[in-house]
Amino acid sequence: EVQLVQSGAEVKKPGESLRISCKSSGYGFTNYWISWVRQMPGKGLEWMGKIDPTDSYTNYSPSFQGLVTIATDKSITTAYLQWSSLRASDTAIYYCARSGLVAPVGLDQWGQGTLVTVSS
Amino acid sequence: TVLTQSPGTLSLSPGERATLSCRASQSVSNNYLAWYQQKPGQAPRLLIYGASSRATGIPDRFSGSGSGTDFTLTISRLEPEDFAVYYCQLYGSSPETFGGGTKVEIK
Repeated sequence: EVQLVQSGAEVKKPGESLRISCKSSGYGFTNYWISWVRQMPGKGLEWMGKIDPTDSYTNYSPSFQGLVTIATDKSITTAYLQWSSLRASDTAIYYCARSGLVAPVGLDQWGQGTLVTVSS
Repeated sequence: TVLTQSPGTLSLSPGERATLSCRASQSVSNNYLAWYQQKPGQAPRLLIYGASSRATGIPDRFSGSGSGTDFTLTISRLEPEDFAVYYCQLYGSSPETFGGGTKVEIK
């Protein structure tokens, strides 16, 4: 069974750093991109960027370039989304999702989401 | 490329037909246009990819059509579990933009 299991909810203060994770299982990890998607409270979906676990090549949305870092550790089939200095406006649910490297079919499997709350 | 979904909200009764629109500001390459369903408190679920191909396990009351800049998701007869928010997404090129969403609510 394909699963993407994300780390638990986080409560942080502005200026703090954070790394959340997305553990994949049940499929060939290096055959799929991993994307991260933001959903701010009561709002729609925003694609942040994606990573190829084969070589850690990343592709960011211009809206998120320089604000976050996407990384993977293919030895443990895990992807990460990290911030060096959080802002209150980073409060959102963050989803990871996979998409095919060779035959794109959209984001066909999703994690359950990680709620990040940034508040002083 | 900007994706514009309409209407913002669709109020319909179970059994009715739902027609959702997604318009792209530029032509979509290879028809790499997907549709997702999201229910409250849940992650999105892929319904349609390649503009018209149903994802695994998706009922055939869901269908996608269109090409170029104009795409449509049709739900032939609404079931109670279909009331949700629907998003279109451009994929395979960067950025992989989402539309703003259409909420299908019970009338």
